[in-house]
Amino acid sequence: TQLLEQSPQFLSIQEGENLTVYCNSSSVFSSLQWYRQEPGEGPVLLVTVVTGGEVKKLKRLTFQFGDARKDSSLHITAAQPGDTGLYLCAGPYGSSNTGKLIFGQGTTLQVKP
Amino acid sequence: DAGVTQSPTHLIKTRGQQVTLRCSPKSGHDTVSWYQQALGQGPQFIFQYYEEEERQRGNFPDRFSGHQFPNYSSELNVNALLLGDSALYLCASSLVRHEQYFGPGTRLTVT
Repeated sequence: TQLLEQSPQFLSIQEGENLTVYCNSSSVFSSLQWYRQEPGEGPVLLVTVVTGGEVKKLKRLTFQFGDARKDSSLHITAAQPGDTGLYLCAGPYGSSNTGKLIFGQGTTLQVKP
Repeated sequence: DAGVTQSPTHLIKTRGQQVTLRCSPKSGHDTVSWYQQALGQGPQFIFQYYEEEERQRGNFPDRFSGHQFPNYSSELNVNALLLGDSALYLCASSLVRHEQYFGPGTRLTVT
C-alpha cells in the first residue's frame, strides 16, 4: 500500500523563522507534488518534482525530491504570516500516472507576527 | 479564465438522505476527480471521470456514485448519508494524466 507520511503534523513559529516539512514513503513515486490549502478553500498546487535529487525554488520556498524518489521536503526561509496554511504532499498512485493522487495527512503551519 | 467551480458551497443534510454535488472543470480540461477531505486530514480519492466514464475508483462504498456530462462537468451523488460522510468534498480537473487543479470544495454536514 502506498502511503505518504508528513511531519510534523502541526508547526507554530514566529515570523522570520525557518522551517522544514517532510514527506516520507516506503514506496517509490514517479513524482511528488506540494499543495497549500487555506481554510475554506481547495488545495493550490505549489510545485511538482519529478527527478530524484531535484531541487526547485519558489521565492522563499525550497522543495527537494529525494534521490530514491521516496521522500521530499519543503523548506521555508524567513516565514511570514501569509505562509500560514495546510501544506500537503501528494503523489500518483501506482507505477503510471493514472490521475489518482495519494495525499499525506498534511502539516498545519501557523506563523505568528 | 474561470477555474474549477463547485456548488453548493455549504450543505446540511440529515442521516439517510441523498445529496448531489456539482463541479465545472477549468476551461480546456476533460478529466474530473473527486476527493473527500475530513477535518485536519489530507484529501482521499473517491473516483475519476474521463470521457463520461468512471476510470479510477478509490476505497469508497457504492453509496458514492458520479456522472460526467458531455461538457465535462460532473456530479457526485451520495446515498443513505451517514454522520461519517461529513467532510469537505473537493473536485479537481485536469487533462488526463496531467496536473490537477482543485475547486474550493463543498462543505457537507450530516446531522
